[in-house]
Amino acid sequence: EDQVTQSPEALRLQEGESSSLNCSYTVSGLRGLFWYRQDPGKGPEFLFTLYSAGEEKEKERLKATLTKKESFLHITAPKPEDSATYLCAVLTDDYKLSFGAGTTVTVRA
Amino acid sequence: DAGITQSPRHKVTETGTPVTLRCHQTENHRYMYWYRQDPGHGLRLIHYSYGVKDTDKGEVSDGYSVSRSKTEDFLLTLESATSSQTSVYFCATTGSPRDTQYFGPGTRLTVL
Repeated sequence: EDQVTQSPEALRLQEGESSSLNCSYTVSGLRGLFWYRQDPGKGPEFLFTLYSAGEEKEKERLKATLTKKESFLHITAPKPEDSATYLCAVLTDDYKLSFGAGTTVTVRA
Repeated sequence: DAGITQSPRHKVTETGTPVTLRCHQTENHRYMYWYRQDPGHGLRLIHYSYGVKDTDKGEVSDGYSVSRSKTEDFLLTLESATSSQTSVYFCATTGSPRDTQYFGPGTRLTVL
């Protein structure tokens, strides 16, 4: 059975305090790994796609990396507006997305 | 982002009543998906469509049916709503199953 696990469940940061979120997976076959951001009461918003181990993508204060077993979302010098739930999803061999439960990040000023 | 709207945005209904949720997209995407999101769970796939009149089951399809008569519309029906179907429902679309799925704003459904 495909499994996607995100840790930690919740993360409280001080503004400027860098940290990393983890997404580990055991799936039948990896076609791609997606990171989304979700604000309360809204739909997930696409951030990054990674397709192969060693790949990295960056956008403002966020950087996503991928290995054969896991992905990390690094948040550098976060600001309060980075507060959100970050979702990881793996596209498997049957071209369906398996989602983790998410990491809720709170950044205090 | 794909132009995706969902209606209604909020609904409260009673156990045993039928409910239909609508997803409308303006991007001419071939693939459309219905997910549910519950606390402690990731988004879980209910049903998906790979073209007009072409649909298939997802991970949690029991108690749900779907229909797609036009490219732009994908309907999710709960034939007889139960309290376990209280959830937030999201629609997503993509032009290719390999590509990014774009999500709608969600429908919060409460079944009393």
